[in-house]
Amino acid sequence: DAGVIQSPRHEVTEMGQEVTLRCKPISGHNSLFWYRQTMMRGLELLIYFNNNVPIDDSGMPEDRFSAKMPNASFSTLKIQPSEPRDSAVYFCASSFLAGGGVYEQYFGPGTRLTVT
Amino acid sequence: SQQGEEDPQALSIQEGENATMNCSYKTSINNLQWYRQNSGRGLVHLILIRSNEREKHSGRLRVTLDTSKKSSSLLITASRAADTASYFCSYPAQGAQKLVFGQGTRLTINP
Repeated sequence: DAGVIQSPRHEVTEMGQEVTLRCKPISGHNSLFWYRQTMMRGLELLIYFNNNVPIDDSGMPEDRFSAKMPNASFSTLKIQPSEPRDSAVYFCASSFLAGGGVYEQYFGPGTRLTVT
Repeated sequence: SQQGEEDPQALSIQEGENATMNCSYKTSINNLQWYRQNSGRGLVHLILIRSNEREKHSGRLRVTLDTSKKSSSLLITASRAADTASYFCSYPAQGAQKLVFGQGTRLTINP
């Protein structure tokens, strides 16, 4: 298996532009997580999906952030409009949740976003 | 906040020495996990220990769990330069199917 795939790996954009980050989870996994990592705030969970349904988006910082999972093999995280404080590394992770348990997550390589 | 704490925040040792990192948490858990993150990369799962286990081994890794003290430790024996990374403990958030991650311990192995 190729693991979790994220694109792009690096994104540099100007303030006010729309940014779309993409993720392909591991085949067979039923849960997908979007995280943001910065030096100041560490690793933050933004939103997670179970069986393509958003379960908890309490970590989404503002209405400028939105995430979708139209099918089991694809998810997007969109920032519109982007701001310099959104600069961070964004990780997607997938997992298989069963029986209410929470088990290991598999992380993608991340997207390093720089907003100037 | 359910976020746990890791100790120390940074650790620098000589190659060949053992490295010990600690994690404390605040809620009841059914498992605890440790992850490694190399610079510029995503997190990689290392080991999972269940609440009914007290110790678990995987290669040069040894993890302990003390549920009465709500703490865990990760021991890396005979450290190597390639072990240089950040190490995170993680556990399920209470009442939710998501993981809480600590702030991590930055481990540096000096050759």
